[in-house]
Amino acid sequence: NAGVTQTPKFQVLKTGQSMTLQCAQDMNHNSMYWYRQDPGMGLRLIYYSASEGTTDKGEVPNGYNVSRLNKREFSLRLESAAPSQTSVYFCASSERTGSDYGYTFGSGTRLTVV
Amino acid sequence: LAKTTQPISMDSYEGQEVNITCSHNNIATNDYITWYQQFPSQGPRFIIQGYKTKVTNEVASLFIPADRKSSTLSLPRVSLSDTAVYYCLVGDDRRALTFGSGTRLQVQP
Repeated sequence: NAGVTQTPKFQVLKTGQSMTLQCAQDMNHNSMYWYRQDPGMGLRLIYYSASEGTTDKGEVPNGYNVSRLNKREFSLRLESAAPSQTSVYFCASSERTGSDYGYTFGSGTRLTVV
Repeated sequence: LAKTTQPISMDSYEGQEVNITCSHNNIATNDYITWYQQFPSQGPRFIIQGYKTKVTNEVASLFIPADRKSSTLSLPRVSLSDTAVYYCLVGDDRRALTFGSGTRLQVQP
């Protein structure tokens, strides 16, 4: 019963490098999300995908791109990493978008940009 | 978007009941109230959700007054393992959830 799987768990990047964070869910959920959490702070929504084939910006989309590859997978790409993007990134999924459906979160990717 | 206000932190002792109140004065008719729990180095975990009155599950109870402008998460007889951050969220079935800073609950022995 994997739920939401994120890879990698840890990553160190140099400023200007690019990378893609991977997320996959096995619950047949329609909606998927990317959040970032800075130390001591709450989660901020970066992008979400209400259903396969759609993506929408969240609160803090600048510097990121996303791809909903299929129903299971939702990736987050940093084209040119900056130190301000040092954070823990969480992927989540739910049956449908919105607060009346519980979100299942992955265990996070801890990203450091130096 | 309904804004939520909850205490930054709370302290309790093992065996006590803990009540965390969240204010959401601008809650809309279609909005649900949802609480999540987050342990260090983990993603948030869904605890409970309600629309009005009282909801209870094996983990917690959620009390919502008639005007729905606030809600109270009640954790009965907390243990050390309940030390976590608790988030109150308000939203409808169309928008993705946005999290505030949450309430950091510290349970002492």
